[in-house]
Amino acid sequence: EPEVTQTPSHQVTQMGQEVILRCVPISNHLYFYWYRQILGQKVEFLVSFYNNEISEKSEIFDDQFSVERPDGSNFTLKIRSTKLEDSAMYFCASRVGSSYEQYFGPGTRLTVT
Amino acid sequence: AQSVSQHNHHVILSEAASLELGCNYSYGGTVNLFWYVQYPGQHLQLLLKYFSGDPLVKGIKGFEAEFIKSKFSFNLRKPSVQWSDTAEYFCAVNAGVTGGGNKLTFGTGTQLKVEL
Repeated sequence: EPEVTQTPSHQVTQMGQEVILRCVPISNHLYFYWYRQILGQKVEFLVSFYNNEISEKSEIFDDQFSVERPDGSNFTLKIRSTKLEDSAMYFCASRVGSSYEQYFGPGTRLTVT
Repeated sequence: AQSVSQHNHHVILSEAASLELGCNYSYGGTVNLFWYVQYPGQHLQLLLKYFSGDPLVKGIKGFEAEFIKSKFSFNLRKPSVQWSDTAEYFCAVNAGVTGGGNKLTFGTGTQLKVEL
């Protein structure tokens, strides 16, 4: 069964550094999402992406964040200058256009020191 | 804005006990409702979903949920839990309209522990 994949599984970075989290959505999916889950808290929506542009973003998704689909398969989340509070599990998800069901990747645990 | 409440944060049950996890949502329009499960060390997996039609939906592994529109609820049930059901369970909702981002709004999750 096709799956959403994410790399790396764990990323440790220093405060102020840039990080890029990578996702490969399921191949025929058209809508892409990033969510995050700070330890002990709920899963929060960051951004949705369709047709090569952001369709919706949350208040969390400020100027430090950006997303890109650089080729036909990858979907990336960049954090320009990481802060301690960016430490969280980041989940990528995707869906086909005809269904509301989102398929989640295994997540990338980001630790900012 | 959408919001989701899960009332039980931690639940401990013995094997074969029945399970009901509460979920209430707040949204003025048509919604799609989901329950996701996250087993230890694994990613979020869809247990079941409700888009329209029969308000009683059946999912994988013997789980079911009932959508009660008047109560804005979508409670998860399982008649007899197993040790392997130990996991965290998330209720989620998105707006039931085509187009747009259709972001998911999650509840805080319920940690279920099933004891032998």
